[in-house]
Amino acid sequence: EPEVTQTPSHQVTQMGQEVILRCVPISNHLYFYWYRQILGQKVEFLVSFYNNEISEKSEIFDDQFSVERPDGSNFTLKIRSTKLEDSAMYFCASRGDGLVSYNEQFFGPGTRLTVL
Amino acid sequence: AQKITQTQPGMFVQEKEAVTLDCTYDTSDPSYGLFWYKQPSSGEMIFLIYQGSYDQQNATEGRYSLNFQKARKSANLVISASQLGDSAMYFCAMREGARDKLTFGTGTQLKVEL
Repeated sequence: EPEVTQTPSHQVTQMGQEVILRCVPISNHLYFYWYRQILGQKVEFLVSFYNNEISEKSEIFDDQFSVERPDGSNFTLKIRSTKLEDSAMYFCASRGDGLVSYNEQFFGPGTRLTVL
Repeated sequence: AQKITQTQPGMFVQEKEAVTLDCTYDTSDPSYGLFWYKQPSSGEMIFLIYQGSYDQQNATEGRYSLNFQKARKSANLVISASQLGDSAMYFCAMREGARDKLTFGTGTQLKVEL
């Protein structure tokens, strides 16, 4: 069964450093998302991406964040200068555009980001 | 006001029993979708079931069913014949109108006991 994959599974970085979180969405999906979950809290929307541009973003997604689809398979989230409060699990998700499974967003396993 | 409210931080159920996890939502948009996701201790988010606001019947997927009461703005998840592997955090989420983002509740931690 096709699935969303994410690398790395765990990333440790120093405050102020740049990180890139990588995702490979399900191959025929067209809509891509990033969410984050601070430990013990609910999942929060960051950004949605369609047709090579951001379709919606939350107030969390400030100028420190950017997304890119550099090729036909990868979808990345970059945090330019990490802060302690960026420590969280980051989930990538994707959604198809067909008659079946049109509504469901399928999530990847997550990348745990730890900022020291 | 919270868009999605899950009032049960933790629930216990005996194996093979049914359990209902509560979810209420708040939206003024007539078109919306409601979702349930399962998050085991390993951390991944697993899609369980979807209910559209215009769907006439309650959604079912195997042992999962969604008790959708539109007038009450509730979308409770019913798990029948609970199994030990059902022990996990369960999140209710909503998508409103043409917006694509999911808004999640705070989750319910379910523990299935022998």
